[in-house]
Amino acid sequence: DAGITQSPRYKITETGRQVTLMCHQTWSHSYMFWYRQDLGHGLRLIYYSAAADITDKGEVPDGYVVSRSKTENFPLTLESATRSQTSVYFCASSDRGTYGYTFGSGTRLTVV
Amino acid sequence: AQKVTQAQTEISVVEKEDVTLDCVYETRDTTYYLFWYKQPPSGELVFLIRRNSFDEQNEISGRYSWNFQKSTSSFNFTITASQVVDSAVYFCALSEASGNTPLVFGKGTRLSVIA
Repeated sequence: DAGITQSPRYKITETGRQVTLMCHQTWSHSYMFWYRQDLGHGLRLIYYSAAADITDKGEVPDGYVVSRSKTENFPLTLESATRSQTSVYFCASSDRGTYGYTFGSGTRLTVV
Repeated sequence: AQKVTQAQTEISVVEKEDVTLDCVYETRDTTYYLFWYKQPPSGELVFLIRRNSFDEQNEISGRYSWNFQKSTSSFNFTITASQVVDSAVYFCALSEASGNTPLVFGKGTRLSVIA
């Protein structure tokens, strides 16, 4: 099915562990984004990518790493998870021509 | 820098009442896009509307309407005759001229509609 999918939907990990959140889109959209949602903060941009092999930092990039070797995938890695990274993470993609943004269903990450 | 302010953190209304959600934005661009998203209790983000800065016409879609006023940098959202299913968090967002730059979100307004 066409769309944007995130995996896993839920994840519990321990402090200090590395964890990767996956994002896959089937439209070949150029732009992809990672946001985190926290109570009282709304959605804040972590990283974004304008094309394969092009990434840029957002508002809250510390502690996160991204890569984009293929247009359709944009994984987000927490190198050494901390409790402050407990959050809901949303991936989104957009197309150069339509100026529309589509969001995945989100990943709820808990760091214990 | 761009900024979106949703001053109302939480609103509670009784079913069938009308409710307006406020959104004020800041940007130096003359061309930009404004959005509203709905996040129901299930958690997904549902796109409601996109408006570019050159189109100040108000828009109505069923019980939903949007009032865009460049003079006051506002893009307010009104729900007429609210229903319990309208209970959600609503986000206003802004993107720059190219339309594919990252969305800047407000902190959201939680709307509770009581039966």
